[in-house]
Amino acid sequence: DAGITQSPRHKVTETGTPVTLRCHQTENHRYMYWYRQDPGHGLRLIHYSYGVKDTDKGEVSDGYSVSRSKTEDFLLTLESATSSQTSVYFCAIGAGLAGDNEQFFGPGTRLTVL
Amino acid sequence: LAKTTQPISMDSYEGQEVNITCSHNNIATNDYITWYQQFPSQGPRFIIQGYKTKVTNEVASLFIPADRKSSTLSLPRVSLSDTAVYYCLVGLGNILTGGGNKLTFGTGTQLKVEL
Repeated sequence: DAGITQSPRHKVTETGTPVTLRCHQTENHRYMYWYRQDPGHGLRLIHYSYGVKDTDKGEVSDGYSVSRSKTEDFLLTLESATSSQTSVYFCAIGAGLAGDNEQFFGPGTRLTVL
Repeated sequence: LAKTTQPISMDSYEGQEVNITCSHNNIATNDYITWYQQFPSQGPRFIIQGYKTKVTNEVASLFIPADRKSSTLSLPRVSLSDTAVYYCLVGLGNILTGGGNKLTFGTGTQLKVEL
């Protein structure tokens, strides 16, 4: 399995508090992604990164920010958590080679916002 | 990004071949077709990818007709452990060439395999 970890694995927080989720990889892959998964919606892309300090928005980026200061780490921050951000968050990595859509996913973080 | 449509659910029995079809009428010339599998409480896992005709690996085959407006994932002789959600995705493989890896997963097909 690809070397990708997420922390924390579970978190319960209150509305209005900031939350940061961490994704760490040991594969030296260029591309990293954050998705959220909710019942009835499948996986939706929040933000992605195509290199250190290079990030872009996905389809559901409102209320989220990301940072990538090192190749191996991709942080997802909820500036002020809301109940609608209760979800399972998956990080993924990819080599991003031409014609290659293979992404490796982390184990997920279950976030509950009360 | 190309939109995909696939059945919400399918049922099968152990030992049978399962074919899951995905339609993607607005697929672009440079788009690849990729399938993922997801078990409960786990992240999706790459199964297979193709551009045209047929691709086969150790777990599945992918059939893509000449017009590329649909694709079929074929799972030979399924077992109980193949019960999972299967996602069909369409997109480019390289962000730097445009749409890139901004893949849309959709809601997938829930496959249930019984004895």
